[in-house]
Amino acid sequence: GDSVTQMEGPVTLSEEAFLTINCTYTATGYPSLFWYVQYPGEGLQLLLKATKADDKGSNKGFEATYRKETTSFHLEKGSVQVSDSAVYFCALNSGGSNYKLTFGKGTLLTVNP
Amino acid sequence: AAGVIQSPRHLIKEKRETATLKCYPIPRHDTVYWYQQGPGQDPQFLISFYEKMQSDKGSIPDRFSAQQFSDYHSELNMSSLELGDSALYFCASRFEADTQYFGPGTRLTVL
Repeated sequence: GDSVTQMEGPVTLSEEAFLTINCTYTATGYPSLFWYVQYPGEGLQLLLKATKADDKGSNKGFEATYRKETTSFHLEKGSVQVSDSAVYFCALNSGGSNYKLTFGKGTLLTVNP
Repeated sequence: AAGVIQSPRHLIKEKRETATLKCYPIPRHDTVYWYQQGPGQDPQFLISFYEKMQSDKGSIPDRFSAQQFSDYHSELNMSSLELGDSALYFCASRFEADTQYFGPGTRLTVL
């Protein structure tokens, strides 16, 4: 079945540091890939997505590239801010008739001033 | 822009009681998903509905049932609650494209 493996963390960085959160996947077919962010006490917000190989999703300075050859979708940001502190979830859906999401375990990011 | 609405936001129940969670999808969205997120866990898919019919089922206990109504809102009914049912319950909705939009969640605490 489908599965997502992501760097578990927690990850602690200083403001303006470079961020990478690794995510790899196993799926049938050609999945769409997503990063969701969950701020403390809140729901899941879509951060970015990519629907086919070599697509790059980007939003709010975050980027991730769909790499079919390495089955990866690593999240990066060049300069993190304190406000980026949250839990980040990598997820996929394999399409079909339902598009249900399979999530990774989540990575807690804390950015210190 | 309108978002997914969930009610209540917080719910406290005793063991063996029942609970009903409600979800109002984004207008025009015809597909609704329910996910359960235990403490420190990733969200797990429970069940989904498309055009008021169940479209897929995940790790949903037999004690739980759900339906989608004619106005596309959905309700998750949970009976014989157990301590282990304490979790955040998310509803998400989708229309055509493959992106799901999540509500703020209902935090259920079973005492």
